[in-house]
Amino acid sequence: GQNIDQPTEMTATEGAIVQINCTYQTSGFNGLFWYQQHAGEAPTFLSYNVLDGLEEKGRFSSFLSRSKGYSYLLLKELQMKDSASYLCAVMDSNYQLIWGAGTKLIIKP
Amino acid sequence: DTEVTQTPKHLVMGMTNKKSLKCEQHMGHRAMYWYKQKAKKPPELMFVYSYEKLSINESVPSRFSPECPNSSLLNLHLHALQPEDSALYLCASSQDLGTGGSPLHFGNGTRLTVT
Repeated sequence: GQNIDQPTEMTATEGAIVQINCTYQTSGFNGLFWYQQHAGEAPTFLSYNVLDGLEEKGRFSSFLSRSKGYSYLLLKELQMKDSASYLCAVMDSNYQLIWGAGTKLIIKP
Repeated sequence: DTEVTQTPKHLVMGMTNKKSLKCEQHMGHRAMYWYKQKAKKPPELMFVYSYEKLSINESVPSRFSPECPNSSLLNLHLHALQPEDSALYLCASSQDLGTGGSPLHFGNGTRLTVT
């Protein structure tokens, strides 16, 4: 079966750095996406990785290791507005998105 | 601001009502999606249209009926829903279907409550 695992909830301090991990087992691989979703709102696209390595975009970076079936999202200089759920999604061999359950990130002052 | 627009934002309907959710995008995307999302769960795919043709139907009950009038519009017709159908209904679009790296752009959703 297809499976994506990410922690249910994480807590971090404003101004700090946090890493949200995602491991996956899917039928094929055509890329991995990270989305941010604030409560009651739509998911917004953060990053896409299809090759191994680190993609940096401002305060957010995403890393992929295809051989390990592993990705992480790194958030630097945390702000209160970063409190949200972060969803990992993998595009399988049929170009279908398989979603993780999401990680709720709580930022404390 | 979202480039995918959904109406209405909120909808309360009885189990015997007929209503429609509407979605519009003007990004020239050729793939459009309907997702259902329950609280604290990831989005659950319902339907996918590619070039205005229904490409994927994830075994959705017939009380949900999608329609794609043109490349910019996507509707979801609702009839005889059940209380357990209450959820956030998300529309999304992407440049194409079957292309890696084409992220989904979501609308703000319709919060549906079935009484």
